[in-house]
Amino acid sequence: NAGVTQTPKFQVLKTGQSMTLQCAQDMNHEYMSWYRQDPGMGLRLIHYSVGAGITDQGEVPNGYNVSRSTTEDFPLRLLSAAPSQTSVYFCASSSRGSDGTGELFFGEGSRLTVL
Amino acid sequence: GENVEQHPSTLSVQEGDSAVIKCTYSDSASNYFPWYKQELGKRPQLIIDIRSNVGEKKDQRIAVTLNKTAKHFSLHITETQPEDSAVYFCAASTGGTSYGKLTFGQGTILTVHP
Repeated sequence: NAGVTQTPKFQVLKTGQSMTLQCAQDMNHEYMSWYRQDPGMGLRLIHYSVGAGITDQGEVPNGYNVSRSTTEDFPLRLLSAAPSQTSVYFCASSSRGSDGTGELFFGEGSRLTVL
Repeated sequence: GENVEQHPSTLSVQEGDSAVIKCTYSDSASNYFPWYKQELGKRPQLIIDIRSNVGEKKDQRIAVTLNKTAKHFSLHITETQPEDSAVYFCAASTGGTSYGKLTFGQGTILTVHP
């Protein structure tokens, strides 16, 4: 299994440009999510999905869109990039354990710089 | 929503010493508390977790304790080694329909000096 795969690993954008961060998992996990990581602020949830066709907002959703058309894929779209979106982005997936909890498996991360 | 506070933000120890990182959470419904280790430039990876029906869990040099009444949990690393140097994150989740929705602390940069 490849686990959680993110592309691209690095991206530089100009303010106002749009782009999509791709995320795919091959573990048949129902749950997928996107986090952003900024220095001193930990990992903050952007959007998440509990299954194909179902998405919801996390803590910091503004400026980002998601969709979940298949179990495997969960792309994150930046419609009009802003310097405040400079960050490292992590995609993660999880399946529900027998006790109702789930371990998050992270992708390698995508470092985005918005100029 | 849930809020997780983590302390200290940085921790420096000598090889062989113990290290303790503490977290508090706000949502009394939280029942799952994992700890993640992130090495420089790498992805976070789970190192240990604890459920609310357990007060303490150990895995070799790593242990986690949970006090549900006080709503805090801690990571203990004994006999630290240079390879323990990393950023450590605590997290909390209510499980159930939100089983994958983790709220993370701000992280602790642990440095172990040889």
